Amino acid sequence: DAGVIQSPRHEVTEMGQEVTLRCKPISGHDYLFWYRQTMMRGLELLIYFNNNVPIDDSGMPEDRFSAKMPNASFSTLKIQPSEPRDSAVYFCASSFGLAGVKETQYFGPGTRLLVL
Amino acid sequence: AQTVTQSQPEMSVQEAETVTLSCTYDTSESDYYLFWYKQPPSRQMILVIRQEAYKQQNATENRFSVNFQKAAKSFSLKISDSQLGDAAMYFCAYMGGGNKLVFGAGTILRVKS
Repeated sequence: DAGVIQSPRHEVTEMGQEVTLRCKPISGHDYLFWYRQTMMRGLELLIYFNNNVPIDDSGMPEDRFSAKMPNASFSTLKIQPSEPRDSAVYFCASSFGLAGVKETQYFGPGTRLLVL
Repeated sequence: AQTVTQSQPEMSVQEAETVTLSCTYDTSESDYYLFWYKQPPSRQMILVIRQEAYKQQNATENRFSVNFQKAAKSFSLKISDSQLGDAAMYFCAYMGGGNKLVFGAGTILRVKS
């Protein structure tokens, strides 16, 4: 199994530019999560999907952030316009999701974003 | 809201020795899971071990074991026979309703040869 795939692995952009992060979950997983890791705030959940539907986006910091999951094998996290404070490592994770059962989340390698 | 506290920002252990990383959590839920994840310098998040709250027996995975004290809301990780490859940041995490993970701040583990 290829595991969770994220692209790009590194992204350097200038303030004001649009940034798109991509994620391919593990095949068969029906939950997908986006996390952000910073020194100041640690690891925090931004949004998660179940069967391609956003379930909880309460962690999305502001309207500049948006996420989509057009199908079971692809999700994007977009920042527009980007700001220096968005610099962080963004992780995508996926898991199975049987009703009433908690499942382990498996993480991708992360995208390290630097906004200048 | 649930919180996870790791009170040790950094720990050191001699190679081949045993080390214990501490974690406490706060919740009013009865059905939850607890996890330890390892983050080496590559930044990949790697699952180390998980514990279901309804299980009384402590989870073990080879050299890794936990001491789960439900009443005290404590979930420590013990690493036996420490190896250089164990050096990493270790995160304790809580999963309650909604399958969301709440992470602690992490503990840096250094292994001395």
